[in-house]
Amino acid sequence: DAEITQSPRHKITETGRQVTLACHQTWNHNNMFWYRQDLGHGLRLIHYSYGVQDTNKGEVSDGYSVSRSNTEDLPLTLESAASSQTSVYFCASSESMGGPNEKLFFGSGTQLSVL
Amino acid sequence: GENVEQHPSTLSVQEGDSAVIKCTYSDSASNYFPWYKQELGKGPQLIIDIRSNVGEKKDQRIAVTLNKTAKHFSLHITETQPEDSAVYFCAARGSGGYQKVTFGTGTKLQVIP
Repeated sequence: DAEITQSPRHKITETGRQVTLACHQTWNHNNMFWYRQDLGHGLRLIHYSYGVQDTNKGEVSDGYSVSRSNTEDLPLTLESAASSQTSVYFCASSESMGGPNEKLFFGSGTQLSVL
Repeated sequence: GENVEQHPSTLSVQEGDSAVIKCTYSDSASNYFPWYKQELGKGPQLIIDIRSNVGEKKDQRIAVTLNKTAKHFSLHITETQPEDSAVYFCAARGSGGYQKVTFGTGTKLQVIP
């Protein structure tokens, strides 16, 4: 079955370190998204991509970057981890933007702790 | 940009009772309103959605209503069961090409057996 997987499930790092969270989907979806989930804030969009070589900033993009070199993967990099980036991170993908296939498929999340 | 407010943040109901979660949105051009359910330790999963040309949609025990004039929409769960316990997120998407989905802050629903 097609799926979207995130790794690692849990990560502890120190402030100032670079961290990369992986996201891999096998649906061949063009659209991929990274969200962070924090109590009281819901799901906030960090970065998103509509296809290979396309990346865009979301509402909370400072301190994060993404790259899209193929359809399947959208890794999220924290350039210099800060305690404020302690959060649960979710990757999602969708077949289309608008229309009947715009449903988001989410991964299981990565719990990141920055100490 | 779009702003989505969701209430209540927590909700406890007895098994068999109904639960209602309400959301408001700010962009009158938004035309797609999905609801996602997140079980503990998992990613959110779409449970129902509604588009602006429809006022109500049902799927077994869940229903969503939309009031475009007031810019609010609601999720109704009837005959609640323990497995309905989860965090529920409403969301809204603006019209036009490649508009992103904006989520509410979530409602933690607890169904008491």
